[in-house]
Amino acid sequence: DTEVTQTPKHLVMGMTNKKSLKCEQHMGHRAMYWYKQKAKKPPELMFVYSYEKLSINESVPSRFSPECPNSSLLNLHLHALQPEDSALYLCASSQPDLLAGAFRDTQYFGPGTRLTVL
Amino acid sequence: GQNIDQPTEMTATEGAIVQINCTYQTSGFNGLFWYQQHAGEAPTFLSYNVLDGLEEKGRFSSFLSRSKGYSYLLLKELQMKDSASYLCAVRKTGGFKTIFGAGTRLFVKA
Repeated sequence: DTEVTQTPKHLVMGMTNKKSLKCEQHMGHRAMYWYKQKAKKPPELMFVYSYEKLSINESVPSRFSPECPNSSLLNLHLHALQPEDSALYLCASSQPDLLAGAFRDTQYFGPGTRLTVL
Repeated sequence: GQNIDQPTEMTATEGAIVQINCTYQTSGFNGLFWYQQHAGEAPTFLSYNVLDGLEEKGRFSSFLSRSKGYSYLLLKELQMKDSASYLCAVRKTGGFKTIFGAGTRLFVKA
């Protein structure tokens, strides 16, 4: 099973709303990622959690707040977003390969949440 | 700096072979990935190269030359469903960061 699930598939929110994106994987992966992807652009890394600890924050505005409640779940809390934050938000997971080199691991992506901010 | 270059678009005929090139300049290298992404969907993993040479997996093959900062993805016996974007991505050393190229949109025509 190489499935990463994300909910919701689509989300429309106003600039004053608070919402959350959810991601789940049951592959036993210990690294989880949030990416943002605009149309016809590559995915851009936002956050990485490794063993439930925040490992990378790519200078993401504080209106995006990640949370990793356990090794299978990853949330992205949204508050006071701007219309330019409208994008496809992708979650991914991977299992660091400690034998081959800790970071030579393949990321598996979820289907994404298409977010529209009005 | 860091840069990953791929052609923007390519067109090929059903049943043919197509090669998608990727050149990269990154501070640190710990492997190169190819992903396929259909419009509006998530990227799906195709291949991973960390050593020089060719990796073959069914109709798809990927090649890497670390000294030249160059990779290609070879697709054989093209099918209409292969019409998608193909993303080249480089994993940097020392962490989880992966840099994605802008992708090559492949159109397969009958």
